[in-house]
Amino acid sequence: QITLKESGPTLVKPTQTLTLTCTFSGFSLSTIGVGVGWIRQPPGKALEWLALIFWDDDKRYSPSLKSRLTISKDTSKNQVVLTMTNMDPVDTATYYCAHSTYGSQNYYFDYWGQGTLVAVSS
Amino acid sequence: QSVLTQPPSVSGAPGQRVTISCTGSSSNIGAGYDVHWYQQLPGTAPKVLIYSNNNRPSGVPDRFSGSRSGTSASLAITGLQAEDEADYYCQSYDNSLSGYVFGAGTKVTVL
Repeated sequence: QITLKESGPTLVKPTQTLTLTCTFSGFSLSTIGVGVGWIRQPPGKALEWLALIFWDDDKRYSPSLKSRLTISKDTSKNQVVLTMTNMDPVDTATYYCAHSTYGSQNYYFDYWGQGTLVAVSS
Repeated sequence: QSVLTQPPSVSGAPGQRVTISCTGSSSNIGAGYDVHWYQQLPGTAPKVLIYSNNNRPSGVPDRFSGSRSGTSASLAITGLQAEDEADYYCQSYDNSLSGYVFGAGTKVTVL
């Protein structure tokens, strides 16, 4: 049974760095073809893909946020960490981590965490 | 502004059939990349409904079906039920952005 859970601060101040941890079980991030991604959703708005890390440590980032994001994994701890620098109130959102599987042409997100709401305010 | 365009809302009476379009371009759907669909019930995390254009994960009713043609994809819900009231998102890959993209979402209302 695959489960994922996000953890991190619920409130950060503008200009601070956000660090979120995704702790998962039921799979290994060293298994070929597996990835873990981060997706966010501002209140009342659409989903936005942020980053994806693969079993071989390949990393992909949203082009619009690439300069602010870093994704890393600790396979032994079954964790993936996302950092986002220079936080702004527009970054207020629910942040989800998700297990990613390759379809026939690209990856999709087949298991999701419950999400964690992060507010950015002074 | 998403590179995948979805109608903001669709509605139908119980038992009816509704479709949700997802229109892309030659750098995403038109390039042959899979389209995946997610259902997000109010207050919950998204759940994959259709993967790789037309495949249903175990447990998803066969009332849900997906298709892809050219630069567009569609999700169809037949025999609409009250429990289908949710937001639906399409997702694919865009090679000009070198990244994964979601549509802006479609809210399905059961009348």
